Amino acid sequence: AQSVTQLDSQVPVFEEAPVELRCNYSSSVSVYLFWYVQYPNQGLQLLLKYLSGSTLVKGINGFEAEFNKSQTSFHLRKPSVHISDTAEYFCAVRSGGYQKVTFGTGTKLQVIP
Amino acid sequence: KAGVTQTPRYLIKTRGQQVTLSCSPISGHRSVSWYQQTPGQGLQFLFEYFSETQRNKGNFPGRFSGRQFSNSRSEMNVSTLELGDSALYLCASSSSRDGTYEQYFGPGTRLTVT
Repeated sequence: AQSVTQLDSQVPVFEEAPVELRCNYSSSVSVYLFWYVQYPNQGLQLLLKYLSGSTLVKGINGFEAEFNKSQTSFHLRKPSVHISDTAEYFCAVRSGGYQKVTFGTGTKLQVIP
Repeated sequence: KAGVTQTPRYLIKTRGQQVTLSCSPISGHRSVSWYQQTPGQGLQFLFEYFSETQRNKGNFPGRFSGRQFSNSRSEMNVSTLELGDSALYLCASSSSRDGTYEQYFGPGTRLTVT
């Protein structure tokens, strides 16, 4: 069975500071990993995805994530956050194309002016 | 290309009633998944349909059901509503052709049960 753990439920950070949102997964097979963002009263939007290849994945809005197989992690990073990055971020895993997607519990990023 | 649409956006129902939510996927997408989102439980997977067949199912009681039509539009139904069914219900579609398994989400239907 697959699972996702997002260790931090809330992360406050000052504007223009760097941020890292942590995600660890568990799966017995190869995985596809995703980060989604949800703004208030909206659905989820894909930030970036890892399917295979380079372990450093770049996404939209200046975000990037690194796949670490030995540590089963897929942490999300941004070197300098903006107020507009205030949202909830979800890590997700899918073990194979026909398997369901499992989401983490989400991390609320609060950017402080 | 139009995104995923969900109707209605907001719904208020009474305990014991039933409700049907609708989802229209992105054109060409054959997979539709449904999720329930609540503050306490986060995003919970309900079920996934692919070409009118249920491909995956989450751990929800039988009161929650769904179906998919030949045009890939999907509906989910909740019978005998309970207060705990109040949630944001999200629909997501994906294409199996491009191999990315990326899901595109609709804006959700906010269901309030009183």
